[in-house]
Amino acid sequence: DAGVIQSPRHEVTEMGQEVTLRCKPISGHDYLFWYRQTMMRGLELLIYFNNNVPIDDSGMPEDRFSAKMPNASFSTLKIQPSEPRDSAVYFCASSFRGVGGTEAFFGQGTRLTVV
Amino acid sequence: GQQLNQSPQSMFIQEGEDVSMNCTSSSIFNTWLWYKQDPGEGPVLLIALYKAGELTSNGRLTAQFGITRKDSFLNISASIPSDVGIYFCAGQLSGGYQKVTFGIGTKLQVIP
Repeated sequence: DAGVIQSPRHEVTEMGQEVTLRCKPISGHDYLFWYRQTMMRGLELLIYFNNNVPIDDSGMPEDRFSAKMPNASFSTLKIQPSEPRDSAVYFCASSFRGVGGTEAFFGQGTRLTVV
Repeated sequence: GQQLNQSPQSMFIQEGEDVSMNCTSSSIFNTWLWYKQDPGEGPVLLIALYKAGELTSNGRLTAQFGITRKDSFLNISASIPSDVGIYFCAGQLSGGYQKVTFGIGTKLQVIP
């Protein structure tokens, strides 16, 4: 299995532009998570899905952020409009809620820079 | 919400030395997880702990789930250069996948 695949790996955009980050979870996993990592705040959970349904989006910082999971193999995180304080590394992770463990597998992340 | 205090925030050690880092929480967790993040990569799970008092090893790594359920530690024995990275503790409230709260990380540098 290729693991969790995120694209793009790097994104540089101007303030005010729309940004879309993409994620393909591991096949068969039923949970998908979006995290944001910054030096100041570490890893923060933004939103997670179970069987394509958003379960908890309380970590989404503002209405400018939205996430969708139209099917089991694809999810997007959109920021519109983007602001410099959104600069961070965004990780997607997926897991399978099976017996004995809930290990989350992370993608390589998208480094977003908003100038 | 949940607060995790992870220490130390950074460490420089000589190759071959043992390393110890820990995490404390303001409240109880039912699961403790330890992840390692290499530069430019996502975190990778090293050890998962599911029971208070549990001591689990994975090669040179040993982690314990504190009796109070509010703390955990990770030890690395005989460190090697590839141990370099950021180590995160994470706590989870229930057995199913609910929110996982991450510590701020311990940045480990190993001097050959």
